[in-house]
Amino acid sequence: AQSVAQPEDQVNVAEGNPLTVKCTYSVSGNPYLFWYVQYPNRGLQFLLKYITGDNLVKGSYGFEAEFNKSQTSFHLKKPSALVSDSALYFCAVRDMNSGYSTLTFGKGTMLLVSP
Amino acid sequence: DAGVTQSPTHLIKTRGQQVTLRCSPKSGHDTVSWYQQALGQGPQFIFQYYEEEERQRGNFPDRFSGHQFPNYSSELNVNALLLGDSALYLCASSFQQGFGTNTGELFFGEGSRLTVL
Repeated sequence: AQSVAQPEDQVNVAEGNPLTVKCTYSVSGNPYLFWYVQYPNRGLQFLLKYITGDNLVKGSYGFEAEFNKSQTSFHLKKPSALVSDSALYFCAVRDMNSGYSTLTFGKGTMLLVSP
Repeated sequence: DAGVTQSPTHLIKTRGQQVTLRCSPKSGHDTVSWYQQALGQGPQFIFQYYEEEERQRGNFPDRFSGHQFPNYSSELNVNALLLGDSALYLCASSFQQGFGTNTGELFFGEGSRLTVL
């Protein structure tokens, strides 16, 4: 089975400061990892993904994420937060070796960026 | 290029009724997955349709059923509605179930907000 844990319900950061949203995963094989963002009453928007290669992946809106295989983590980061980054962030995983092709999502982390 | 479209956007039903939600996938996509997102929770996988067949299913009762049409659009049906079925229902499309050279990235619609009274 594949699973995702997002240990923080909410992350608070001041505008201009760096932000980190944490994610750990569990799969039996090699993972495909994703981050999505959800604004109020909207669907999920894709931010970035890790498939293979460089452990640091860059995505939309200045976000990046670092894959750490030994710690089974895929934390989302941004060097300088904006108030407009305030939203609900979801980490998702797919076990590429399992034959199960759908994504499993974490429960989400609310990011609040204060002016 | 049209993205994933869902209808209706909002609807209210009473317990015991039945509901049908509709989804058109992104152009070029042939696989549709449905997710239920309860308030304050992450999306939970319901099932996936490819080549007009249910290919994978999450831990949802048989009251949840679906269909995929030859044009790849899909319907989600829920019978005998319960209060606990109140949620945002998300449709996501992808290509070839995410196998082959496809990494399985999902493209989501805006969702259908179902309220059961």
